[in-house]
Amino acid sequence: DAGVIQSPRHEVTEMGQEVTLRCKPISGHNSLFWYRQTMMRGLELLIYFNNNVPIDDSGMPEDRFSAKMPNASFSTLKIQPSEPRDSAVYFCASSPGSSSNQPQHFGDGTRLSIL
Amino acid sequence: GQQLNQSPQSMFIQEGEDVSMNCTSSSIFNTWLWYKQDPGEGPVLLIALYKAGELTSNGRLTAQFGITRKDSFLNISASIPSDVGIYFCAGPFNNNDMRFGAGTRLTVKP
Repeated sequence: DAGVIQSPRHEVTEMGQEVTLRCKPISGHNSLFWYRQTMMRGLELLIYFNNNVPIDDSGMPEDRFSAKMPNASFSTLKIQPSEPRDSAVYFCASSPGSSSNQPQHFGDGTRLSIL
Repeated sequence: GQQLNQSPQSMFIQEGEDVSMNCTSSSIFNTWLWYKQDPGEGPVLLIALYKAGELTSNGRLTAQFGITRKDSFLNISASIPSDVGIYFCAGPFNNNDMRFGAGTRLTVKP
């Protein structure tokens, strides 16, 4: 079975540019999560969706960050405009239940570098 | 604020040795999860614990859900080189906010 699929795997762009990260969750999973991982701050939850509806976006760092889930099989995380401090690995995860108690299955991440 | 503390931060061990790491929380958890992350990949779930006092094994890995519900332990027996990676504990605060520990970076010397 396919796991969580993220694209691109790597992105290098100049500051000020718009960045869009994509995620396809595991089919049948109801919840989708976006995380950011850095050496300094570890794994941070940015936002999560349940049945395509954003439930908690308190982890989104600034208005420059936005996330959407137009349907059950696709989500995007957008940064506009990007800044060097946004450089990190961004993970998408999905889980079968509606509660964040459920174990999450992670994609392989997008390594983002903002120059 | 709510915190999840994981220790040790790193471990350097010889192949064949046993490993032990733990996590403590400032709040009571109903679930404890242990993940492993290999370089260039996402975290992969190793063990999930749902009940205080629960002891669960997955091959050479054993994890326990502490009686107080504020801690959990992960043990790896007879370590091998492929055990190298970062191990994370995780748990939900207020049933809505999954938090991860800072990770234990394990190095196994052949």
